[in-house]
Amino acid sequence: AQSVTQLDSQVPVFEEAPVELRCNYSSSVSVYLFWYVQYPNQGLQLLLKYLSGSTLVKGINGFEAEFNKSQTSFHLRKPSVHISDTAEYFCAVSVSEDSSYKLIFGSGTRLLVRP
Amino acid sequence: NAGVTQTPKFQVLKTGQSMTLQCAQDMNHEYMSWYRQDPGMGLRLIHYSVGAGITDQGEVPNGYNVSRSTTEDFPLRLLSAAPSQTSVYFCASSYSSLAETQYFGPGTRLLVL
Repeated sequence: AQSVTQLDSQVPVFEEAPVELRCNYSSSVSVYLFWYVQYPNQGLQLLLKYLSGSTLVKGINGFEAEFNKSQTSFHLRKPSVHISDTAEYFCAVSVSEDSSYKLIFGSGTRLLVRP
Repeated sequence: NAGVTQTPKFQVLKTGQSMTLQCAQDMNHEYMSWYRQDPGMGLRLIHYSVGAGITDQGEVPNGYNVSRSTTEDFPLRLLSAAPSQTSVYFCASSYSSLAETQYFGPGTRLLVL
């Protein structure tokens, strides 16, 4: 069965420092990859997605992610974080199964930006 | 556009009670789904619908029912609430499938005593 692993449940970082949130998935077929962000007491919103083409994907708020097929990873990066980036980040994978798609979420990584 | 709306925002139930969580979207999306979010477990799909009149089970469907009589609305019914159903519930919609961007509602926080 397909799965998505976010190894870090919480990542503390100082403001203006770089950050990387890790995501690995298990699938031998083509996938679509997403990162969603959830601010406190809100629903999820799309940060960025990879469907095809360039493996480096740029999203909103200065975030980017790189699709690495050989390592089955889709790590999220930001060169300089801000206090307002404090939120929970979810990696998700969409895989085709029985002529429909399944969307599988990771368990989430809480990014805590400190001044 | 209001996007995806959910009501109520917060609800307390006693074990055995039933209730309906409401979800509506005004983006003319065909695909709608319900997730529950529990600490350390991410989001898990409960039920989904690919269009009016068509619904199917997700990963954790037991104890929940859905129907889709219109494109706009996708209510989730708890038949007989149990403490294990204490969670935050999110409704989401997308244009045509789970391969596309999901638009999420603000969530309903449910506490079952």
